[in-house]
Amino acid sequence: TQLLEQSPQFLSIQEGENLTVYCNSSSVFSSLQWYRQEPGEGPVLLVTVVTGGEVKKLKRLTFQFGDARKDSSLHITAAQPGDTGLYLCAGARNTDKLIFGTGTRLQVFP
Amino acid sequence: SQTIHQWPATLVQPVGSPLSLECTVEGTSNPNLYWYRQAAGRGLQLLFYSVGIGQISSEVPQNLSASRPQDRQFILSSKKLLLSDSGFYLCAWRRREIGGELFFGEGSRLTVL
Repeated sequence: TQLLEQSPQFLSIQEGENLTVYCNSSSVFSSLQWYRQEPGEGPVLLVTVVTGGEVKKLKRLTFQFGDARKDSSLHITAAQPGDTGLYLCAGARNTDKLIFGTGTRLQVFP
Repeated sequence: SQTIHQWPATLVQPVGSPLSLECTVEGTSNPNLYWYRQAAGRGLQLLFYSVGIGQISSEVPQNLSASRPQDRQFILSSKKLLLSDSGFYLCAWRRREIGGELFFGEGSRLTVL
C-alpha cells in the first residue's frame, strides 16, 4: 500500500518553465527525502529534510517539508532538459523502514 | 568507500520457476538492507527490509521471501514465480540513522513469461 501520493504523475514542459511537484501523506514522517532516477538505474538522493517547515535549496531546486511533517514539495525554477527524469519522494518514520511515493515523471523539451 | 552489487542484471524466467536475486554490500558494517520492486515509470514498492542478520521485515505477503545469511548479504527468493512478479528489482542499503541516504544497486530486471 502506497502511503505517499505524488502529483502530478506526469509533467511535460518547455525549457525555462517553472514547476512544482507535491508529495502528500496522512502520516507523519521523521524525515523525507527526494530522489531522482534515470531509466535503468537506481534513484539518487537529491535532498533530505527532517524539520517541519524546513526549506532547502539546491541550485534551481527548492524543497520544502510541511509544518506537520506529512507533506513536501519540490519546485524547479527555469527547468532544463537535464532535469528530465523520474522524481521520487521517500519518507521514513524511524531509522529503518523507508517508503517511496508514487513518482512524478518530468520531461523538459528544449 | 562503500559499494553495493546485485545480480543477475537481467532474468527471463517461465511461470512457476524459482528465483534467486543476490545483493552484497562492501565497505560498511551492520547496514540496513532493502529490496524494492518498481513497475515501469512508477514509484518503488518496499518488499523487505532487514536491520540485522536473520532479521527480515516483510511488507508484501506474497510468494516472495528474503534472507540475510550474512551481515552484508541480502537474498530475494521465490519458489514459484508468477506473471505479476515481473519488474525491476532494486537492492539498497543505508546507515541506521534519521535521514540516512539510500544507496542502490544496479537493479535486476525480471521478466516472467
